[in-house]
Amino acid sequence: LAKTTQPISMDSYEGQEVNITCSHNNIATNDYITWYQQFPSQGPRFIIQGYKTKVTNEVASLFIPADRKSSTLSLPRVSLSDTAVYYCLVGEESGGYQKVTFGTGTKLQVIP
Amino acid sequence: EPEVTQTPSHQVTQMGQEVILRCVPISNHLYFYWYRQILGQKVEFLVSFYNNEISEKSEIFDDQFSVERPDGSNFTLKIRSTKLEDSAMYFCASSEGGDADTQYFGPGTRLTVL
Repeated sequence: LAKTTQPISMDSYEGQEVNITCSHNNIATNDYITWYQQFPSQGPRFIIQGYKTKVTNEVASLFIPADRKSSTLSLPRVSLSDTAVYYCLVGEESGGYQKVTFGTGTKLQVIP
Repeated sequence: EPEVTQTPSHQVTQMGQEVILRCVPISNHLYFYWYRQILGQKVEFLVSFYNNEISEKSEIFDDQFSVERPDGSNFTLKIRSTKLEDSAMYFCASSEGGDADTQYFGPGTRLTVL
């Protein structure tokens, strides 16, 4: 099971772009990379998922280099409401579904 | 947008009592999961469920835990004899299919064991 490593915490000012990098050196061929956001006392919320290169949706972008040993979640122009814990997960395909294991996440604090 | 719902939002129980936590997954989803998060700690996988049987369970999911899909919509987690250390947020999740399909989480049930 691929383990992920990401910074414990980050601070950013409102309006700035935030990039959170996650290392997953032993990612397997079938593994996808997924990022979740969690606010206090709420369930994790899916942000974005990718396999390789770049994925963009209305919320964020995900950059994955060719070797897939890391990935970077990019949040454009963050606001105070983006203050949350962000989890990078590498899902292992197991029994036909993706078994996900949460790490400790990156606590993003957006400062006014 | 369809979402996973959970009831109750907060459950308080005495040690040794049985609790049932309820979840309604997204209607066309086929895979169901339970996770827990002890206050201040990371989200931990408990169990996955597909085709009316457990697909996988973690070491946390011992004989005190059971899951059931009693009808076409509900997915329940039962803890037979609660312990103080069972106090946590319990999240239900569901996904449409397997492979890389995204898991959608409910808002959680906060279980407090006294």
